[in-house]
Amino acid sequence: AQTVTQSQPEMSVQEAETVTLSCTYDTSESDYYLFWYKQPPSRQMILVIRQEAYKQQNATENRFSVNFQKAAKSFSLKISDSQLGDAAMYFCARLINSGGYQKVTFGTGTKLQVIP
Amino acid sequence: EPEVTQTPSHQVTQMGQEVILRCVPISNHLYFYWYRQILGQKVEFLVSFYNNEISEKSEIFDDQFSVERPDGSNFTLKIRSTKLEDSAMYFCASSVGILQGNPYEQYFGPGTRLTVT
Repeated sequence: AQTVTQSQPEMSVQEAETVTLSCTYDTSESDYYLFWYKQPPSRQMILVIRQEAYKQQNATENRFSVNFQKAAKSFSLKISDSQLGDAAMYFCARLINSGGYQKVTFGTGTKLQVIP
Repeated sequence: EPEVTQTPSHQVTQMGQEVILRCVPISNHLYFYWYRQILGQKVEFLVSFYNNEISEKSEIFDDQFSVERPDGSNFTLKIRSTKLEDSAMYFCASSVGILQGNPYEQYFGPGTRLTVT
């Protein structure tokens, strides 16, 4: 089965500290993309960061960065200098191409609590 | 910045009633999707739609569900006879497709919260 696994249902971090959220995935595709989405209490899905599988360089967006280990099929999200507004559910997702359209599979999510 | 919009933001309906959830994808996008998220659970793929037909659907997308692009802008999800277990957040998404722009990103709408009583 092509799955996305987030093994940490909940995480907490002190404000201004760094936290890493884990994600592993399974795929037989060579061409795929990986994403982290943030879902605040409003439940809107907000794209945090994207990683192309063919790129070796880890993606970075301001305080957010990923550690992409392709051979290990691991895609963790690091949040530096955590802020209260970072508190949310975080979903890891994998996108593959399937006959022209994209198919996205989400993980079960990690609830991040930021402690003032 | 263009965005996907969804209406209504919250829909309450009685079991057995039909509901139509509406989405307006980004105007130059060609591929459209519906996802469902039951409260406290992960986001699940329902269906993808391209060129006025379903490209793929999940096992969740049974005969009670249908999708339509009735005009050039709207993309709808209809649930014919709602069940209690249909209560969830429904997200619409759209993407440009492989040959245009950045194909590897789906833009999500804000979601419609469906409550079946």
